[in-house]
Amino acid sequence: DAGVTQSPTHLIKTRGQQVTLRCSPKSGHDTVSWYQQALGQGPQFIFQYYEEEERQRGNFPDRFSGHQFPNYSSELNVNALLLGDSALYLCASSLVAEDPAFGQGTRLTVV
Amino acid sequence: RKEVEQDPGPFNVPEGATVAFNCTYSNSASQSFFWYRQDCRKEPKLLMSVYSSGNEDGRFTAQLNRASQYISLLIRDSKLSDSATYLCVVNSLSNYQLIWGAGTKLIIKP
Repeated sequence: DAGVTQSPTHLIKTRGQQVTLRCSPKSGHDTVSWYQQALGQGPQFIFQYYEEEERQRGNFPDRFSGHQFPNYSSELNVNALLLGDSALYLCASSLVAEDPAFGQGTRLTVV
Repeated sequence: RKEVEQDPGPFNVPEGATVAFNCTYSNSASQSFFWYRQDCRKEPKLLMSVYSSGNEDGRFTAQLNRASQYISLLIRDSKLSDSATYLCVVNSLSNYQLIWGAGTKLIIKP
């Protein structure tokens, strides 16, 4: 049974560019949350998707957007990249009454 | 004030010793509490949930004090492999997001 898979694992982008990160949830999970973890910090909640809609959003600018597909997979898009967007981006999938499962993360470096 | 606060450490502990971490949270409506372990440059992994009555899993014991709004993690007979960052996480029923502390770094020395 595959767990949460994220792609790509590493990415280098230039300031001002746009990036799309992808997440496939654990089988049976219907909810996907995205977190940003800067070096030396705990993960910060970006947003959560459920039934293809953004259910809750953290304190992130509109440059961060997402999508959930009918098969529950999800994308995180970041526009106009800043140096400060460099971080580990974590995807977590979940189902009611179950602990979330995390992917291995995508490490984004903005230069 | 941060919603979840932890001592960042590092805690340098000799192998075999007992070590304890505390974590405080500010939202009294928090309902669920967890300890996660994160190895360098890896994703966090659930170590244990924390229940009101306290719970134990092998060498690990977690306690919750709702009145003082803190949770603790005790590691007995520490192993070299326990070296990692330990993250305290809380969640409330009305809020879908997990709120994370910045983590406590633990280094077990031979």
